[in-house]
Amino acid sequence: NAGVTQTPKFQVLKTGQSMTLQCAQDMNHEYMSWYRQDPGMGLRLIHYSVGAGITDQGEVPNGYNVSRSTTEDFPLRLLSAAPSQTSVYFCASSYVASGSFTGELFFGEGSRLTVL
Amino acid sequence: AQTVTQSQPEMSVQEAETVTLSCTYDTSESDYYLFWYKQPPSRQMILVIRQEAYKQQNATENRFSVNFQKAAKSFSLKISDSQLGDAAMYFCAYILGNNDMRFGAGTRLTVKP
Repeated sequence: NAGVTQTPKFQVLKTGQSMTLQCAQDMNHEYMSWYRQDPGMGLRLIHYSVGAGITDQGEVPNGYNVSRSTTEDFPLRLLSAAPSQTSVYFCASSYVASGSFTGELFFGEGSRLTVL
Repeated sequence: AQTVTQSQPEMSVQEAETVTLSCTYDTSESDYYLFWYKQPPSRQMILVIRQEAYKQQNATENRFSVNFQKAAKSFSLKISDSQLGDAAMYFCAYILGNNDMRFGAGTRLTVKP
């Protein structure tokens, strides 16, 4: 069972570089999201999507872009990396009922990003 | 701002004993869902238990149960008969109708043999 797959698991960037974190799920979930996890701050929502072609901002969207062209994939793009974006990133997905997801998130294993 | 507060950064419990992790939240909504997630050292988050705010009955999943006090905006997690495999970070979270899910900062639970 693949579930939610994130790549890469580790990445080191220099300030100003761009990169894309990939996320794919094989559970036909409509809801997908990206979180960042920082020490002492728990998980914070960056962007989310409730279906192909639909994306919305979460709590900390600045510096990140997303798109949702298929149900399976939800890539996160860092356009110009900054040291403040050093974090562990998690992709998560879930099913949707009546247009909203009810919170049972299925997480990937995380991607550790370091920006120098 | 709508927030989730976990006031215990770290907790420890003896194997086979019971421990309670605290969580308070702040929302003006009347209908929402509350969760406890577990993050073991492997880092992958796992759902432990879920509570729907309109339900008065406290949710239970095997050794895990919650004490949901809606008026007090409190949602604590009780782990009974603690096992070594329960050692992890535990996150309290809630979701509003706009698909925005908010997490607390977490409580690190240590289980002593």
